[in-house]
Amino acid sequence: DAGITQSPRYKITETGRQVTLMCHQTWSHSYMFWYRQDLGHGLRLIYYSAAADITDKGEVPDGYVVSRSKTENFPLTLESATRSQTSVYFCASSPVQGTEAFFGQGTRLTVV
Amino acid sequence: SQQGEEDPQALSIQEGENATMNCSYKTSINNLQWYRQNSGRGLVHLILIRSNEREKHSGRLRVTLDTSKKSSSLLITASRAADTASYFCATDPNTGGFKTIFGAGTRLFVKA
Repeated sequence: DAGITQSPRYKITETGRQVTLMCHQTWSHSYMFWYRQDLGHGLRLIYYSAAADITDKGEVPDGYVVSRSKTENFPLTLESATRSQTSVYFCASSPVQGTEAFFGQGTRLTVV
Repeated sequence: SQQGEEDPQALSIQEGENATMNCSYKTSINNLQWYRQNSGRGLVHLILIRSNEREKHSGRLRVTLDTSKKSSSLLITASRAADTASYFCATDPNTGGFKTIFGAGTRLFVKA
């Protein structure tokens, strides 16, 4: 199916564990993004990527790692999960800089 | 801090009334976008207005942009219960790089 998909949709993990959230898009969009959404903060940009092998930090990158070896995939890894990383994570893609972004359905991550 | 800030944080109106949401931002921008998010879902793009535009329409949506005041408004006319959602403004700062920044959102509730 065409679009942008995130997996898993729900994840519970323990403090200190490494966890990877997956994001896959079928449009070959150049730009991809990871946001986290918390009550009272709206969406905050974690990392973004302008193309394969090009990534850059957003507003809240600490504790997260990304990679983009292929245009269609943009995984987000929490190296050592903390309770403060409990959040809903959204992946998005965009074909052109500064234009409409297409969002995935989100991953609800709970760190216990 | 957030680049864009929406006002009000929450809005409750009757079906058929108009709903107005405002967004203020801090730095010069290339464009401003409005997104909608239904509960538990990803964001959906509504409209984009460029920095050299003052007003834009799309169906029942009217967006204005005042770059001198660094503010934008989203008007939804003849609201429907199905318009109940959170609405976010997103700015593309004119600071180099590509970091679309979202505000905290306005929660709109339309009563049938």
